[in-house]
Amino acid sequence: DTGVSQDPRHKITKRGQNVTFRCDPISEHNRLYWYRQTLGQGPEFLTYFQNEAQLEKSRLLSDRFSAERPKGSFSTLEIQRTEQGDSAMYLCASSLAAGELFFGEGSRLTVL
Amino acid sequence: AQSVAQPEDQVNVAEGNPLTVKCTYSVSGNPYLFWYVQYPNRGLQFLLKYITGDNLVKGSYGFEAEFNKSQTSFHLKKPSALVSDSALYFCAVKETGAGSYQLTFGKGTKLSVIP
Repeated sequence: DTGVSQDPRHKITKRGQNVTFRCDPISEHNRLYWYRQTLGQGPEFLTYFQNEAQLEKSRLLSDRFSAERPKGSFSTLEIQRTEQGDSAMYLCASSLAAGELFFGEGSRLTVL
Repeated sequence: AQSVAQPEDQVNVAEGNPLTVKCTYSVSGNPYLFWYVQYPNRGLQFLLKYITGDNLVKGSYGFEAEFNKSQTSFHLKKPSALVSDSALYFCAVKETGAGSYQLTFGKGTKLSVIP
């Protein structure tokens, strides 16, 4: 399968723990996005990479969140000191063209 | 700031009937507009986009959408609904030339096609 893959698909953690999600985009895509989706809401933008450069970060994003894309390939999203409000589906998407995003199936985070 | 409104949480339509899922948007300049679909336990899938040109855009699975600048709308349509079209549909907007790369999504509309 050559689509966007995310790992893990599900993560249950205790409040205060750190979690990391990984995204492997479609190989030829230079653009990579992270979004967050909660029940009944549309995806909410978190951050954007073009190749290895993080070019945009949501102003709503807490400094407990950090993302990297070393060498412009896979990306990681780390959440430090998780809170119950962080429980959500974390979506990764990649693209060549602006706006035509290809999404992974997401990583569901549950913070107890 | 850019925003999207999907005024209907749910739309029910009988199989074979035409369907419309509504979307209105707000941007300061010109918009790029998109529709995505999310099937249960699946990732979001791109359906169609409006960048420029013809106001009627055709996309995947027989869907189309009409860009109406005066009404700031981008409604999704299909002439004849299938049961397999039942899913969650999201409208999204990006303002052109705004120096931002993010798409802003609506809250989604659940489409149920009744056999």
